[in-house]
Amino acid sequence: DAKTTQPNSMESNEEEPVHLPCNHSTISGTDYIHWYRQLPSQGPEYVIHGLTSNVNNRMASLAIAEDRKSSTLILHRATLRDAAVYYCILRRYNNAGNMLTFGGGTRLMVKP
Amino acid sequence: EAGVAQSPRYKIIEKRQSVAFWCNPISGHATLYWYQQILGQGPKLLIQFQNNGVVDDSQLPKDRFSAERLKGVDSTLKIQPAKLEDSAVYLCASSPTWREGYEQYFGPGTRLTVT
Repeated sequence: DAKTTQPNSMESNEEEPVHLPCNHSTISGTDYIHWYRQLPSQGPEYVIHGLTSNVNNRMASLAIAEDRKSSTLILHRATLRDAAVYYCILRRYNNAGNMLTFGGGTRLMVKP
Repeated sequence: EAGVAQSPRYKIIEKRQSVAFWCNPISGHATLYWYQQILGQGPKLLIQFQNNGVVDDSQLPKDRFSAERLKGVDSTLKIQPAKLEDSAVYLCASSPTWREGYEQYFGPGTRLTVT
């Protein structure tokens, strides 16, 4: 899978929007952009994914740059429960499987 | 619906001992994954099963790690003999299928400490 680059950590204030960036300059046309997050002492959980168009769900929004070389996960109103490590992952759809290659992620800290 | 179950949650063993972890995926999920997460790092895939067949085990240290998926449902991951560097959280995940668009559901993990 192609490589992603994320900041090691970010801080946010509670009830404010959070924009988590991800660079993936070597993305290919068939790579999907996935976001997972991992709360303390828990397994990762799916947040959102997309290919070319911006995506919204109940947890977050995903904004994908027009050239697809970067994307941003948007939490509209951060809560203390959103403090977690957020992973941006590129996954290529092929017959080899559905493997996720995790990087180091961004540790989001939310201040009350 | 019930999530992915793993046991035990914690295990402490001495190096050169053996250990086994158990995973029960979400009912009906055909694909099962085992990941290893070393402290401070993201999870690393060890092995992927589709029903009871292995799809990918390229990152599984086969000299000491083994895994099986009995009847395409439960799975067991074994380490024999354990080394100090095996200390990590072992995560099990499942998904309805390996195809695109299906998220992976993770269990709480088993924290292994090798002394």
